[in-house]
Amino acid sequence: DSGVTQTPKHLITATGQRVTLRCSPRSGDLSVYWYQQSLDQGLQFLIQYYNGEERAKGNILERFSAQQFPDLHSELNLSSLELGDSALYFCASSPRRADTQYFGPGTRLTVL
Amino acid sequence: AQSVTQPDIHITVSEGASLELRCNYSYGATPYLFWYVQSPGQGLQLLLKYFSGDTLVQGIKGFEAEFKRSQSSFNLRKPSVHWSDAAEYFCAVVYYGGSQGNLIFGKGTKLSVKP
Repeated sequence: DSGVTQTPKHLITATGQRVTLRCSPRSGDLSVYWYQQSLDQGLQFLIQYYNGEERAKGNILERFSAQQFPDLHSELNLSSLELGDSALYFCASSPRRADTQYFGPGTRLTVL
Repeated sequence: AQSVTQPDIHITVSEGASLELRCNYSYGATPYLFWYVQSPGQGLQLLLKYFSGDTLVQGIKGFEAEFKRSQSSFNLRKPSVHWSDAAEYFCAVVYYGGSQGNLIFGKGTKLSVKP
């Protein structure tokens, strides 16, 4: 158990819908990262937050957004969902940037 | 651009045999390197990491990795593989340009273990 929690574990929804994925980092970790894992693209970085502020963006679509709250938990919002958004979404946390990242169990999103 | 290459998509070894998974990176500065393992349907578990110092690092589950700057490699090894090691293994480097710190992953190597 890494200490990073993600909910829900599985999510099945339809095209065009909007979903929210939630992540609670390890106690004391200020950085939160979101990654997407798909068969064709592999593991790709989406977005990073540090102590409530956005620090970096990767290959994140405009339909996707995220935020980190004062209690340091983070939410990833995916809207206007398409079939191709079906993937495993991981959250990771670390004490600082460029430090060891610990991953949550992931949320498997299926868009039908 | 920074990148990580894992040349072997799938490797099969016999239980008890030794294992080496290859990883090459492209990075302009001193890299921070990691190996993670993902069992089917599971998240990513950290096996080991290299930040600096001794180039041979020990990890969990009997794994070790050696950083070779001249070869831009960080290969993962285990002297005797167990059936429970069957999983997918990912090499990663931290990109810490600017204020970032995200991981750049290789495509992964899937390990199968024959009885």
